[in-house]
Amino acid sequence: GAVVSQHPSRVICKSGTSVKIECRSLDFQATTMFWYRQFPKQSLMLMATSNEGSKATYEQGVEKDKFLINHASLTLSTLTVTSAHPEDSSFYICSARDSPGDRGFHEQYFGPGTRLTVT
Amino acid sequence: QKEVEQNSGPLSVPEGAIASLNCTYSDRVSQSFFWYRQYSGKSPELIMSIYSNGDKEDGRFTAQLNKASQYVSLLIRDSQPSDSATYLCAVNGMYSGGGADGLTFGKGTHLIIQP
Repeated sequence: GAVVSQHPSRVICKSGTSVKIECRSLDFQATTMFWYRQFPKQSLMLMATSNEGSKATYEQGVEKDKFLINHASLTLSTLTVTSAHPEDSSFYICSARDSPGDRGFHEQYFGPGTRLTVT
Repeated sequence: QKEVEQNSGPLSVPEGAIASLNCTYSDRVSQSFFWYRQYSGKSPELIMSIYSNGDKEDGRFTAQLNKASQYVSLLIRDSQPSDSATYLCAVNGMYSGGGADGLTFGKGTHLIIQP
């Protein structure tokens, strides 16, 4: 259980174009999903929190008009990188938060990541 | 700035020995703590979660939490070469913005299990 998929796994695009990344929770419903970014030799940094049916909340320093997030259903969130530039090249990883259940706390399960290269 | 600190390593441990990984965090009100394993080029995989002081065991893994000292650790018993990876400590609730439930990660400890 607790499987999260991401598509595409790898994408190369030209500077100025837009790229859409999909994140799906396959065997559970996720009212909340998260988008992280990881640069080489760095740790994961939270970009934004995606809530089903409402606007995403963005962390400081993340441009909401550049990184568009849509959480249209309980199993799907999308991240669109608009007008991508080489400095946006990174490993983008989504996670989905499960229900707390008996444990009382949520756990996050990560998708396999999308490696974006902007040329 | 709220931080999660880990020794980057590499930490080299002989096969069959116990690997001990440590993590400290700066926000005293944090409630949820996680250990993830990340292989090179892959996304993190949840290994352990711990929410209350003390030890929590799952197979060869034991997580230890001491909230008074703001310290979390992970022990791996009977280490195997396949355990070689980067281990990320993550803490919930350290973001002050909208992502209060997002995870703050340490930079990870690179663990090498020597056959």
